[in-house]
Amino acid sequence: DTGVSQNPRHKITKRGQNVTFRCDPISEHNRLYWYRQTLGQGPEFLTYFQNEAQLEKSRLLSDRFSAERPKGSFSTLEIQRTEQGDSAMYLCASSLPRYSGNTIYFGEGSWLTVV
Amino acid sequence: DQQVKQNSPSLSVQEGRISILNCDYTNSMFDYFLWYKKYPAEGPTFLISISSIKDKNEDGRFTVFLNKSAKHLSLHIVPSQPGDSAVYFCAAIHTNAGKSTFGDGTTLTVKP
Repeated sequence: DTGVSQNPRHKITKRGQNVTFRCDPISEHNRLYWYRQTLGQGPEFLTYFQNEAQLEKSRLLSDRFSAERPKGSFSTLEIQRTEQGDSAMYLCASSLPRYSGNTIYFGEGSWLTVV
Repeated sequence: DQQVKQNSPSLSVQEGRISILNCDYTNSMFDYFLWYKKYPAEGPTFLISISSIKDKNEDGRFTVFLNKSAKHLSLHIVPSQPGDSAVYFCAAIHTNAGKSTFGDGTTLTVKP
């Protein structure tokens, strides 16, 4: 297994446009997380899924953000009407608590630049 | 309110010496702690973890110590190598809550 896969790795978009990121978790991992990271800060929790159910959403996740995991496998994170403050690295992570405990494994991240 | 804090933004050590990275937390419900290493433009890579029922966990050159009464954990790297130069994040989890809370990281530079 190649680990958590994210794409695109880089996205430059104009303010006001919509963007979508995709995450493919480690095979059979039932939990999937989205985090956001800006320079000089640690990853900030956005939301997480257990299978297809979205169990928690951060207050950071405004109405312009939506995440889905329709079949309990891959997930998408969509940002509508992007703003310059959305520029960040968006990190996806997955875990399988039954076997790996509480350890979550991150993908390479997707860089978003809003111009 | 930042529940996980890494008070040292940077640390510089000589190759072969010990690196000690520190992390403090405030939420007594946290019961699992992790350290991640991150290179620029990459996602964090898991290094080592510790459950709150333990006070030490060792894996090769990496050892994590947990002092629950002080709500403090530390990562020791011995001996430090130039390839260890990266940003190190500590993270804490309250198992029933599911999500991990991260500190802001410490940039470690190991000089040859």
